Amino acid sequence: DGGITQSPKYLFRKEGQNVTLSCEQNLNHDAMYWYRQDPGQGLRLIYYSQIVNDFQKGDIAEGYSVSREKKESFPLTVTSAQKNPTAFYLCASSIYPGTGNTGELFFGEGSRLTVL
Amino acid sequence: QQPVQSPQAVILREGEDAVINCSSSKALYSVHWYRQKHGEAPVFLMILLKGGEQKGHEKISASFNEKKQQSSLYLTASQLSYSGTYFCGTRTGSGNTGKLIFGQGTTLQVKP
Repeated sequence: DGGITQSPKYLFRKEGQNVTLSCEQNLNHDAMYWYRQDPGQGLRLIYYSQIVNDFQKGDIAEGYSVSREKKESFPLTVTSAQKNPTAFYLCASSIYPGTGNTGELFFGEGSRLTVL
Repeated sequence: QQPVQSPQAVILREGEDAVINCSSSKALYSVHWYRQKHGEAPVFLMILLKGGEQKGHEKISASFNEKKQQSSLYLTASQLSYSGTYFCGTRTGSGNTGKLIFGQGTTLQVKP
């Protein structure tokens, strides 16, 4: 079955440690996104990538880094520079949006990161 | 800039109607609507494109006022399964590309 797989589902981290969240898709989608979800703040865009080897910052990129070396993979690293990393992280993908398609996002099940 | 949704929360009885609004300070090319149930990933409901085209997967309706940079989602004869948090997402600029920015969400609770 095609879909988006995020791992791990739950992650605990000590302050000062970097952690990498995995996101893999087998939908052959061009675009991939990372969002952070906090209660009452909706989904906030961290980074997005529309093509391999290229990505752009979203609204809250500080303290995060990404790579897009393969079409199907878009890992997110939460660095120690991120001051408040405890949150729910959602990865999504879409066909490259353009004329004739909706560019709807397909989401993974999410990764919940807790900093101890 | 994040679009603004209103209201923040709605409580309904089965069979009642609801309207969720989404407004942006920027010119919009498209507006997406998603629903997220507790503990699950958001699921696409509908997209409204500049020029009036509308595409969706469920029997819900929405409007898109390009001049006012606003969209509204209409949930009629609500069912228990409609409960969840609704998000609008907007793409600005001249095309349906680039980043998709979401509002803060509207929580809908449908009671028997």
